[in-house]
Amino acid sequence: DTAVSQTPKYLVTQMGNDKSIKCEQNLGHDTMYWYKQDSKKFLKIMFSYNNKELIINETVPNRFSPKSPDKAHLNLHINSLELGDSAVYFCASSQGGEGGTQYFGPGTRLTVL
Amino acid sequence: AQSVSQHNHHVILSEAASLELGCNYSYGGTVNLFWYVQYPGQHLQLLLKYFSGDPLVKGIKGFEAEFIKSKFSFNLRKPSVQWSDTAEYFCAVMRGGSYIPTFGRGTSLIVHP
Repeated sequence: DTAVSQTPKYLVTQMGNDKSIKCEQNLGHDTMYWYKQDSKKFLKIMFSYNNKELIINETVPNRFSPKSPDKAHLNLHINSLELGDSAVYFCASSQGGEGGTQYFGPGTRLTVL
Repeated sequence: AQSVSQHNHHVILSEAASLELGCNYSYGGTVNLFWYVQYPGQHLQLLLKYFSGDPLVKGIKGFEAEFIKSKFSFNLRKPSVQWSDTAEYFCAVMRGGSYIPTFGRGTSLIVHP
């Protein structure tokens, strides 16, 4: 049973395209996140969302937008893809009662050509 | 804003050597502290965490970490590393009452057999 799942695992696309990455968690957690990990392994939090409040890292371009159809899903939509968007994107979830322990998905490797 | 510093960016050890990875944070209030591990090609997984109580916490695979409040530190240790410990190690801090974690830049550990 996969706790946090992401699709697709790999995504290769051209500059200027729009793409989405889907994330689902079956843990019943109340908060979900998106992270970007660059080629140097630096992990940057992009968004957190707990079905009442969306917190956006102010350094994230507005081409990136999270969409949450329900509590178990937080999808990432990216408009007008750029070369610098190439990275691994991780979805994660947490539950307030666990002190913020992050449960990560398997990651989506995005390559922009 | 709080920050998390991991002093060692790259560590290379031989099997059976002892390991200590440094982690310091800047926030002075109540914090939850975490170490996550990312094996090659995989997602981040929780190694251990500290919320309260005994400042010496034990995690999976023989890892432990000690919270020293006066030094704002949460260093990770293992007395004898194995080749399978080769991975990226991330320290993370979450302020009490917050659900936004701050991650360090990570430490790449390579263990030679």
